[in-house]
Parts: sequence; structure tokens; C-alpha cells
Amino acid sequence: SQQGEEDPQALSIQEGENATMNCSYKTSINNLQWYRQNSGRGLVHLILIRSNEREKHSGRLRVTLDTSKKSSSLLITASRAADTASYFCATDARNAGNMLTFGGGTRLMVKP
Amino acid sequence: DTEVTQTPKHLVMGMTNKKSLKCEQHMGHRAMYWYKQKAKKPPELMFVYSYEKLSINESVPSRFSPECPNSSLLNLHLHALQPEDSALYLCASSPPGGTVNSPLHFGNGTRLTVT
Repeated sequence: SQQGEEDPQALSIQEGENATMNCSYKTSINNLQWYRQNSGRGLVHLILIRSNEREKHSGRLRVTLDTSKKSSSLLITASRAADTASYFCATDARNAGNMLTFGGGTRLMVKP
Repeated sequence: DTEVTQTPKHLVMGMTNKKSLKCEQHMGHRAMYWYKQKAKKPPELMFVYSYEKLSINESVPSRFSPECPNSSLLNLHLHALQPEDSALYLCASSPPGGTVNSPLHFGNGTRLTVT
């Protein structure tokens, strides 16, 4: 079963706009990670946020984590056509023993 | 390009064939993973090797047989597969300590079609 569920499943925006994706999960976690996947390719790690952290930034990416609500969000600012991809959250659950479980993903399309 | 190399990139096999998928990394990672991904779905964990020992098997059918010959190599042996096994098979690795502290490094996958 999926630990994380993502919302929305698909998002279409214009270049220059911001994109926000949300992830909810069910159990206690060590960390939550965000990945990007271009069509037919492998996943690329974007950001890892630990359970005792609330916000992290990396370039145009901002991730928040609310452990009380068991939710996270990924914000991409000033989007570019090259940001078009699928974005997945993944959780490392406590006591799960080196398992990373992925959410359903958000398919982002950025139109030039 | 990724630091995890998977071969072949594409594989078409019949239901009676035996084939193997290969994965290699030279980052000194001691945990290696196989994931299966169907179209428009998230990756699903199949196996985890930690220090060359199988530590997690997610109830995968025996027609999939993993092997970790050394700390740099991971194989997935395939036998008597079904058409529903067609998917993208992703290999990943992580440093010692696993995903508690570190992200996964993925290869670009093998696109498997079972006819």
C-alpha cells in the first residue's frame, strides 16, 4: 500500500508561474523525500527533509513538512518548461527498516 | 547521466525465456534496491540488499530472483514471466545507513516487455 498520497495528480501551468504539490502520509517517519522523474527515465532526488525540520530550500524549490498533519508540500517557483516531469514524495517510515515508499505522484506540465 | 548504470535499457522476452537485468554502482554504497514501476504509477519496492545480504523481499513472486554478487553489482534474474510483469525496472543504491539519512540514487531503468 502507498504510504504517501499526492495532490493534485496532474497540474498544468504557464512558464513563470509557481507550482505547488502536496503529499500526505499515514505513519511516523524518519524523513520525507521528493523526487523528480522525466518520462521513461530514472528518479532524481530533489530534497530530503527530516522529521524534526519544518522547511527546506534548494534553489527554486521549497519543501515544508507538518508532522502533526502528516503532510508535506513542494513549491517550485518561477517554473520553466524544463520542469515538466512527474514529482513523487517518498517516506522513510520509522521502524520500517530501510524502506522508502512512494506516493502516487503529480504530473506537472509547464507550458512555454 | 546517473552514477547507477542499468543494462539493458530495453528488453523484450517471451514467457518461457530466462533473462537477467544488471545494475552497477561505484559510489561505495552498501544498500541496493530493485523497484518495479508500471506506467503512470509510483515505483514499488521489490527487494533490498544491505551489505550484500537480502534484507527485504516484498512478497515478490519467485519468477523474480535477485542476486548481489558483490557490493557494486546487483542482478535480477527473470524466468517464466507473465505479460503483466511488463514494466520499468529501476535499480537504486544508497550509502551505508540506508534511507534513514540518505536519498536513493536511481539508474535509468530497464524497460521490460513480456510477450
